[in-house]
Amino acid sequence: SYELTQPPSVSVSPGQTARITCSGDALPKKYAFWYQQKSGQAPVLVIQEDSKRPSGIPERFSGSSSGTVATLTISGAQVEDEADYYCYSTDSSGNHGGVFGGGTKLTVL
Amino acid sequence: DVQLVESGGGLVQPGGSLRLSCAASGFTFGTYWMSWVRQAPGKGLEWVANINEDGTEKYYVDSVKGRFTISRDNSKNSLHLQTNSLRAEDTAVYFCARAPYYYDSSAYYNPWFDCWGQGTLVTVSS
Repeated sequence: SYELTQPPSVSVSPGQTARITCSGDALPKKYAFWYQQKSGQAPVLVIQEDSKRPSGIPERFSGSSSGTVATLTISGAQVEDEADYYCYSTDSSGNHGGVFGGGTKLTVL
Repeated sequence: DVQLVESGGGLVQPGGSLRLSCAASGFTFGTYWMSWVRQAPGKGLEWVANINEDGTEKYYVDSVKGRFTISRDNSKNSLHLQTNSLRAEDTAVYFCARAPYYYDSSAYYNPWFDCWGQGTLVTVSS
């Protein structure tokens, strides 16, 4: 079955740039989406279609994709950005479903 | 504003059933695919099922095929998930999500999720 691979954790100091990667064989042909989930809350879409930022998401969040790796970048990370981040995409089988990466815990301190 | 409110979760014995519901508001419900996504305690997110705008197309993750049924009532702006033959590994928070999609170069449908409810907890235990 298709898998998306993320690092389990990333840690930065406030104001630094945080980068979270997501690896998947189908990413050259499929969009990546990124979700932020704070403790006890529902996920929130922060990046869609590799690099588009939904309305209301701060400009410090950006996304990119090259080859089999998609990257979420938080420029000037804030304490309130501490959360779990999940990438999501679909595989090449056309099975009408999708998969999430295992999630990355971002610590900002 | 888009609002999705889940209900119907609870404690159920292995082999039992639950019917989860999601009340939608703030958008034209009948023009969107909808999905269920779950999250086991302390674990990551897992897509469970999709349904198209008029309920004629339904897709499931392999682990729930034959046990779960997704449905919708566009007249009541509601989404449902009938869960049967529940197992301990089905214990999770179940989220309702609105599911836009794009078509790729192979003309495959690719769903994603732009709005989520707060979830309802299903616990399968004896």
